[in-house]
Amino acid sequence: AQRVTQPEKLLSVFKGAPVELKCNYSYSGSPELFWYVQYSRQRLQLLLRHISRESIKGFTADLNKGETSFHLKKPFAQEEDSAMYYCALTGGGNKLTFGTGTQLKVEL
Amino acid sequence: DAGVTQSPTHLIKTRGQQVTLRCSPKSGHDTVSWYQQALGQGPQFIFQYYEEEERQRGNFPDRFSGHQFPNYSSELNVNALLLGDSALYLCASSLAEGAKPNTEAFFGQGTRLTVV
Repeated sequence: AQRVTQPEKLLSVFKGAPVELKCNYSYSGSPELFWYVQYSRQRLQLLLRHISRESIKGFTADLNKGETSFHLKKPFAQEEDSAMYYCALTGGGNKLTFGTGTQLKVEL
Repeated sequence: DAGVTQSPTHLIKTRGQQVTLRCSPKSGHDTVSWYQQALGQGPQFIFQYYEEEERQRGNFPDRFSGHQFPNYSSELNVNALLLGDSALYLCASSLAEGAKPNTEAFFGQGTRLTVV
């Protein structure tokens, strides 16, 4: 069975501080990992995917197969980063398995 | 392109009733997936439609059924509604995996269903 675990429901940081949103997964195979973000009153949207190896809005995420983790990081948090973040995986067929999400709150 | 559109935005139904939710995919997309998001939870996969057929299904009872039309739009039907079916229902569209590997899924705004 595939599972995504996000241990923190809420993460509160000060503006300019580093951010790390944790994500661990369970999957017997080679999954593709994603981070989705939902800003206030907006739809769920893709932030980044591990195969792209991109930095989006200053965020990066590295897939660690040994630790089965895909943590989302940003060196300096901005106020506009406040949102709900979901880690997700797919083993193929575009079926996404989501974690329960972490609410990031960036305080001034 | 309006992206993925869902209707209605909100709905209130009584236990035992039936409901139909609708989704129009993003222009150019041919695959539609439906998700249920209960309060405080992440979206859970219900099923996926491609070429008018259900291709994958999550762990949901047969009360949940769907349909895809030739124009790729889709409906989600839920029969014999239970209080526990109250949730946000999300539709996501994408290209079929074979057509474009690792395609991005685009989500609609969702339909908020309340069962009383």
